[in-house]
Amino acid sequence: GIQVEQSPPDLILQEGANSTLRCNFSDSVNNLQWFHQNPWGQLINLFYIPSGTKQNGRLSATTVATERYSLLYISSSQTTDSGVYFCAVDSLMDSSYKLIFGSGTRLLVRP
Amino acid sequence: GAVVSQHPSRVICKSGTSVKIECRSLDFQATTMFWYRQFPKQSLMLMATSNEGSKATYEQGVEKDKFLINHASLTLSTLTVTSAHPEDSSFYICSASQGGETQYFGPGTRLLVL
Repeated sequence: GIQVEQSPPDLILQEGANSTLRCNFSDSVNNLQWFHQNPWGQLINLFYIPSGTKQNGRLSATTVATERYSLLYISSSQTTDSGVYFCAVDSLMDSSYKLIFGSGTRLLVRP
Repeated sequence: GAVVSQHPSRVICKSGTSVKIECRSLDFQATTMFWYRQFPKQSLMLMATSNEGSKATYEQGVEKDKFLINHASLTLSTLTVTSAHPEDSSFYICSASQGGETQYFGPGTRLLVL
């Protein structure tokens, strides 16, 4: 099945810093989503981005489908950005629309 | 829009008992619902996919007789953990989809089996 790798696994930032999280996937995808899991476990949809670039406030994401990777940019980080960021993909070869999650990037933003 | 709820948010039960978790799409009709399990400091692992009115499709290694899934309506799916044991303690998360695009996730249910 499709493999999803995220890097870095852990990241510590000072408030105000910028960061880039990466997601590599091993096969063509129908769907790619970025999520933020808050300390209470709730998964929050950040982007639905199988290709192209999107921006939402301080967050933006780019997926280069032909090269099988996606990047999530966080600018001017805030302590509330802390949590785990997951990338999840839905393989183009599988018509069931099930999402395969990467292992996540655990982000801590210090004040 | 696209709100998914889960009930209960946390449950503690004795070993050997069964626990039912509900997943509801509040403001849309979910043709497909997914159930995930997440152990501490790990990623989400898909357990099964359910389509309204049909039997769930389980992922490899997930016991269908232990994790009973029912998707009786377009807004409700239930996961029943039968004869729960301590190793079933985990965070169970459902998601709902309107037809194959974005999945919307519930807040999760923390299960602790004593």
